[in-house]
Amino acid sequence: KNEVEQSPQNLTAQEGEFITINCSYSVGISALHWLQQHPGGGIVSLFMLSSGKKKHGRLIATINIQEKHSSLHITASHPRDSAVYICAAHNNNDMRFGAGTRLTVKP
Amino acid sequence: GAVVSQHPSRVICKSGTSVKIECRSLDFQATTMFWYRQFPKQSLMLMATSNEGSKATYEQGVEKDKFLINHASLTLSTLTVTSAHPEDSSFYICSARRAGGGIQYFGAGTRLSVL
Repeated sequence: KNEVEQSPQNLTAQEGEFITINCSYSVGISALHWLQQHPGGGIVSLFMLSSGKKKHGRLIATINIQEKHSSLHITASHPRDSAVYICAAHNNNDMRFGAGTRLTVKP
Repeated sequence: GAVVSQHPSRVICKSGTSVKIECRSLDFQATTMFWYRQFPKQSLMLMATSNEGSKATYEQGVEKDKFLINHASLTLSTLTVTSAHPEDSSFYICSARRAGGGIQYFGAGTRLSVL
């Protein structure tokens, strides 16, 4: 069993839909990251959170430390949101990555 | 926000040659830099962690003589793939972190193709 599990692996949505990507982890963490990887491979850090909830534009990330679970939500999804979303559990120098969720938003 | 520049973005080379990839933190001092490798449709795998001025720490299974890492300054780390072979073809990504920990900032990656 992977230490960081993401679901779903693949997700196809229609433009405007509300999207949720889930991440469960089994390791102790100091923070959890959500990353966005574009088709060309470049990676953007979306959020780093250790508790509660963060919001940036149409993106919302939540984390429940007790349940070792985090979610990334995208409101009013748009084709430009199509990318691979990766959660990563961070503990000091160690970062464990989920396998990623490939999101495709159709117009 | 903090920016990490990685260069080149793409390189094609012949088998047996060496390739150097640079990772620069543009507006902050990166005491720690990380090098990752990603195969198609797989997640990132940490290759090594480098702290400025000291030797890199390599993950198990990563050949340190094959993948030379130098972190000579607080804004630059380099990864040199020596005597590259086709099986070294991959996507290499660096990330950098300020002193005291916190968020990692990722470079855009380098796609290496060895013919």
